[in-house]
Amino acid sequence: DIQMTQSPSTLSASVGDRVTITCRASQSISNWLAWYQQKPGKAPKLLIQKASSSESGVPSRFSGSGSGTEFSLTISSLQPDDSATYYCQQYSTLVTFGQGTKVEI
Amino acid sequence: QVQLVESGGGVVQPGRSLTLSCAASGFTFSSYAMHWVRQAPVKGLEWVSVISYDGSDTYHADSVKGRFTISRDNSKNTLHLQMNSLRPEDTALYYCVKTDCTSIGCRLFVHWGQGTLVTVSS
Repeated sequence: DIQMTQSPSTLSASVGDRVTITCRASQSISNWLAWYQQKPGKAPKLLIQKASSSESGVPSRFSGSGSGTEFSLTISSLQPDDSATYYCQQYSTLVTFGQGTKVEI
Repeated sequence: QVQLVESGGGVVQPGRSLTLSCAASGFTFSSYAMHWVRQAPVKGLEWVSVISYDGSDTYHADSVKGRFTISRDNSKNTLHLQMNSLRPEDTALYYCVKTDCTSIGCRLFVHWGQGTLVTVSS
């Protein structure tokens, strides 16, 4: 099974900060990597697919990069509405999620 | 717009069975593969099961294989998850999830329901 490791587990930052979340796969997944945002009491929302392709309607401050085993999600200028838990997901072989990164503002 | 409404959750004793349902609307249900994904309380996300657009192919996570069965009724736009031999570790919020293509190889989770809570406890 492919394991996904996210870091950090929790991130505290201020409005306007640039923040980066990292996701590492236990083996190469090419670019079959998605990022989801989950707010308390809500279902996850797909932000990015194929490592760097943003979904329609996702603010431009969100961007994804990486390939192979190392990936990142960057929020270029953190906003209050970005307070959430972020999950990476590999869909190269079956499905595995990272353990999540809670972003606190 | 896409709507996925789960139902059937509740409190059940270990070893018993439960069937979850998901009513779909706002899209052509019979054209898309569907998944169940669960989230234990204050925990992360775990993929459970997938079914192809026509129900001909299914696949389950090792943690539920042999106990859970995913199925669909395209005439009623409904997805089901039959859960047998339930264990305390199956306690979770179960989400119905729509993909953007037809086969069980479709593993990008485009639309999510709000979930139905299953609690396995004596």
